[in-house]
Amino acid sequence: KQEVTQIPAALSVPEGENLVLNCSFTDSAIYNLQWFRQDPGKGLTSLLLIQSSQREQTSGRLNASLDKSSGRSTLYIAASQPGDSATYLCAVGNNAGNMLTFGGGTRLMVKP
Amino acid sequence: EAQVTQNPRYLITVTGKKLTVTCSQNMNHEYMSWYRQDPGLGLRQIYYSMNVEVTDKGDVPEGYKVSRKEKRNFPLILESPSPNQTSLYFCASSLKLSRQPQHFGDGTRLSIL
Repeated sequence: KQEVTQIPAALSVPEGENLVLNCSFTDSAIYNLQWFRQDPGKGLTSLLLIQSSQREQTSGRLNASLDKSSGRSTLYIAASQPGDSATYLCAVGNNAGNMLTFGGGTRLMVKP
Repeated sequence: EAQVTQNPRYLITVTGKKLTVTCSQNMNHEYMSWYRQDPGLGLRQIYYSMNVEVTDKGDVPEGYKVSRKEKRNFPLILESPSPNQTSLYFCASSLKLSRQPQHFGDGTRLSIL
């Protein structure tokens, strides 16, 4: 059964820092990997989707990489801002392309 | 506006009283899914639907039912709710899960006493 782990569970950084969030998964037979953001009391917002054949995706200050063979993905956030404070979740799509397995999330706080 | 709408947003009820949480999307998405989110356990998939009249179990389907009679609606039914179903529930949809990101509703917080 697929297991997804996110480290660290919580992270606090000063504004302006570049940071990396990590996601690892146990079964490399995946269809895709998604990164989401969750604000308190809200649903999840999709940030980036990487297909299994891709190595990375970029959107603005966000860059996500995927190393399927080693079971790892990273989310890089450049020049962090207080508005980036949220919980970040990664989710792995199974090989059949019909289910997602989520990690436990990294709670990020960016201090002004 | 493209959105996934869940109702109710909050519900407190008692053990054994049947309830339905509705989910509707206006994006003509084929794929819809229900998740529950619990502290320490994260988000877990309950049921999903690849298209109309096609539903399948996720990782934690016990105690839940779903139906997909029309493309836009995917209700979650608790026939006889129990306290261990107290949780935060999310509905999500995408054009195809394999190719498109998922859009999530704002969540439904259920408390079963």
